[in-house]
Amino acid sequence: GAGVSQSPRYKVAKRGQDVALRCDPISGHVSLFWYQQALGQGPEFLTYFQNEAQLDKSGLPSDRFFAERPEGSVSTLKIQRTQQEDSAVYLCASSLQLAGGLAIQYFGAGTRLSVL
Amino acid sequence: ILNVEQSPQSLHVQEGDSTNFTCSFPSSNFYALHWYRWETAKSPEALFVMTLNGDEKKKGRISATLNTKEGYSYLYIKGSQPEDSATYLCASASPSNQFYFGTGTSLTVIP
Repeated sequence: GAGVSQSPRYKVAKRGQDVALRCDPISGHVSLFWYQQALGQGPEFLTYFQNEAQLDKSGLPSDRFFAERPEGSVSTLKIQRTQQEDSAVYLCASSLQLAGGLAIQYFGAGTRLSVL
Repeated sequence: ILNVEQSPQSLHVQEGDSTNFTCSFPSSNFYALHWYRWETAKSPEALFVMTLNGDEKKKGRISATLNTKEGYSYLYIKGSQPEDSATYLCASASPSNQFYFGTGTSLTVIP
């Protein structure tokens, strides 16, 4: 596909359940970002990869959140023991350029997570 | 964390009207500003990347201006059409790739 693909589009989880959210970036894009968008808020930065290296994970809200990109392409965001406050839209974005705030980030349509 | 604010939160306009909304950001250590359009059930789409004070960018009926000294950017839509209905997000970007988003302006264009 031409764009960033995220799956699943919707996920309902029971509190305490583990979930895994997948992101397929645009082929050849070096940089990959994860964002969390709570209801009524703007997207908030979670973590950033350059190829397979996780260069910044300062936005991950707790140690229940874990992200990986083992081969420098597909990335997975895992949330362990989900809580109701984890309910949000999780957005993935990729960028061709290595670094710098000038690079356009191309977004997926997001995964809407609802924790009951 | 940078405090980026957008106003108004939502806006309803008639088809054919022109409209504008605001993105405010801290002017100190400004690096770049990004505008995105996000239609329901789709991916956010990049509109503009702006860096220089006084920058003006245009894409069809949409344009944007940037004032880095006072910390604001305006997005203008001329002759709004129903297909312009979307949430418009701005983000202040740091050199280290962090984007700080506002909460967005939701635009509804009434036919």
